[in-house]
Amino acid sequence: GENVEQHPSTLSVQEGDSAVIKCTYSDSASNYFPWYKQELGKGPQLIIDIRSNVGEKKDQRIAVTLNKTAKHFSLHITETQPEDSAVYFCAAATMDTGRRALTFGSGTRLQVQP
Amino acid sequence: GAGVSQTPSNKVTEKGKYVELRCDPISGHTALYWYRQSLGQGPEFLIYFQGTGAADDSGLPNDRFFAVRPEGSVSTLKIQRTERGDSAVYLCASSLSMGNQPQHFGDGTRLSIL
Repeated sequence: GENVEQHPSTLSVQEGDSAVIKCTYSDSASNYFPWYKQELGKGPQLIIDIRSNVGEKKDQRIAVTLNKTAKHFSLHITETQPEDSAVYFCAAATMDTGRRALTFGSGTRLQVQP
Repeated sequence: GAGVSQTPSNKVTEKGKYVELRCDPISGHTALYWYRQSLGQGPEFLIYFQGTGAADDSGLPNDRFFAVRPEGSVSTLKIQRTERGDSAVYLCASSLSMGNQPQHFGDGTRLSIL
């Protein structure tokens, strides 16, 4: 089955700096890669996703890049703000089949220092 | 609009008891998913419904776990003879069924087995 590894496990940045979180996946059939933000006591909130037919996607301060050959994808947050502090999860799935289970990474705790 | 609703938000019970966890998906979402999240880890897939039928139950850990969705909307996750290792946050997500649609999560039920 799919295996997703995520690094780093914790990340501390100064407000205004950029943050980068990296994930690798094992199953070359995976074609959908969402990123979720989870705050304490809440469920994961989708912040951006990318499909395997594109290499990069951007939404305001958030961008995701995908390298299918190397089987890795990354989340980039620019101009970080204290409210960006949370746990971020990457995930992978093969959405073309009847099996749509997301396989999650182990999470990155991002702390933005004011 | 209303998001995915899960009840109860917290459930404490004794080892060996039976529990039911409820999920109300986003209106119009025909796909529904259950995940389990242990402390400090990413969510792990349990089961996926397309309409009333379980399209993929490969993540259910053993036969003590069962889920139903009799009318294609609300779903109930049932756990028999609970064990302390079942303690976790149980998350429900829903999505539209066509193509690669993102999964939207509820805030989960925190289950504690004493």
